[in-house]
Amino acid sequence: QVTLKESGPSLVKPTQTLTLTCTVSGFSLTTGGVGVGWIRQPPGKALEWLALIYWDDDKRYSPSLSSRLTISKDSSKDRVVLTMTNVAPLDTGTYYCARTLDSIVGGAWMYSVPPLGPYFDYWGQGALVTVSS
Amino acid sequence: NFILTQPHSMSESPGKTVTISCTRSSGDIASSYVHWYQQRPGSSPTTLIYDDNQRPYGVPDRFSGSIDSSSNSASLTISGLKTEDEADYYCLSYDSDSFWVFGGGTKLSVL
Repeated sequence: QVTLKESGPSLVKPTQTLTLTCTVSGFSLTTGGVGVGWIRQPPGKALEWLALIYWDDDKRYSPSLSSRLTISKDSSKDRVVLTMTNVAPLDTGTYYCARTLDSIVGGAWMYSVPPLGPYFDYWGQGALVTVSS
Repeated sequence: NFILTQPHSMSESPGKTVTISCTRSSGDIASSYVHWYQQRPGSSPTTLIYDDNQRPYGVPDRFSGSIDSSSNSASLTISGLKTEDEADYYCLSYDSDSFWVFGGGTKLSVL
């Protein structure tokens, strides 16, 4: 059974660094094709993709937030960590981690040739983070 | 870079059919898959449609997805509406510069 669970502080002060951890089970972070991403959702607003790390440690970041984000993983502990520097009240919201899974078709990763783009098949329950002094 | 535009809200009666659009602002809609999520209040998103038109196991065939290159948009169609379908719906696609884009979400009311 695939599960993901977010953990981290519920309250962070402006200008501080936010660190969130996603602990996964039911799959390995080193399996070819696996990616774990972070998505956030401000209260009452839309989903926003933040970052993703692949099984081979390749990393992707939202262009608008890349200067503030770092994603990493500890495969031995089944954890993916997201850090966000210099937080502000606008960063308040629910932070989700979610898995993507690619597969090899015809000798190539399926989602690396058009049409592109894997989807997030399993999501965590989310962690609410409030940025306030 | 592109944005995905969805209607902010829609409303329909039980038993009817509703179609939610997701329009890509630039680039070919068919160049990347479009995926759809349902999010009920207080819950995480769940996958309704992946790879334009595929349903995960357990999703009823009342839900279907399609893309239309002429309007550069994707659509989620829900037939035989039930009150339990009242939720927020999001489309998702992928930019060739290696990042994901969500639509702004559509709040569906069934009444």
